[in-house]
Amino acid sequence: NAGVMQNPRHLVRRRGQEARLRCSPMKGHSHVYWYRQLPEEGLKFMVYLQKENIIDESGMPKERFSAEFPKEGPSILRIQQVVRGDSAAYFCASSPGDRGTGGYTFGSGTRLTVV
Amino acid sequence: AQSVSQHNHHVILSEAASLELGCNYSYGGTVNLFWYVQYPGQHLQLLLKYFSGDPLVKGIKGFEAEFIKSKFSFNLRKPSVQWSDTAEYFCAVNSAGGYNKLIFGAGTRLAVHP
Repeated sequence: NAGVMQNPRHLVRRRGQEARLRCSPMKGHSHVYWYRQLPEEGLKFMVYLQKENIIDESGMPKERFSAEFPKEGPSILRIQQVVRGDSAAYFCASSPGDRGTGGYTFGSGTRLTVV
Repeated sequence: AQSVSQHNHHVILSEAASLELGCNYSYGGTVNLFWYVQYPGQHLQLLLKYFSGDPLVKGIKGFEAEFIKSKFSFNLRKPSVQWSDTAEYFCAVNSAGGYNKLIFGAGTRLAVHP
């Protein structure tokens, strides 16, 4: 029973390139959440998705960032034209439902380094 | 807006010392409260959570936390820490009855020396 799978674990991109981060939720989970952890900071909520729907993207930067969770396949967090300030750990979590019972399972994260 | 404040950013203890990490939240309604732990290089794991009922919550690995509603606090405690407790600890909150969006504190790095 695999947990939340994120890949790649480490990603290095040059400034101006695109970064694609993937997240496969736990089996039976249809709700996905993306968080960003900047150095020396806690996790900041970015976006909450259900299959084919973005429910809450209030934490997403207005430009260059997008997320999707298609009917088939993993959730994708896409960062276009990366800048040094995008360097961070990006964590995905999934839950079976949408109510606040905290049934989150986190993935191991993708550490993005922009050089 | 909801917010979570963790007062201690870095804590250093010797093995067998007692631990208490502070967490205060700001929110006008009913909340659910959580403590997560992140061991070096690993993902976040849930230590314990409070939804309702007994305000003293026991979690894994000997950790416990007490919800004091009047103080908007949910402090984490452990009577005797071990070297293996070296990690970063995050307090988090979400709105009870609302959906699963968690608001995290900035975290507390705990280093336990043998």
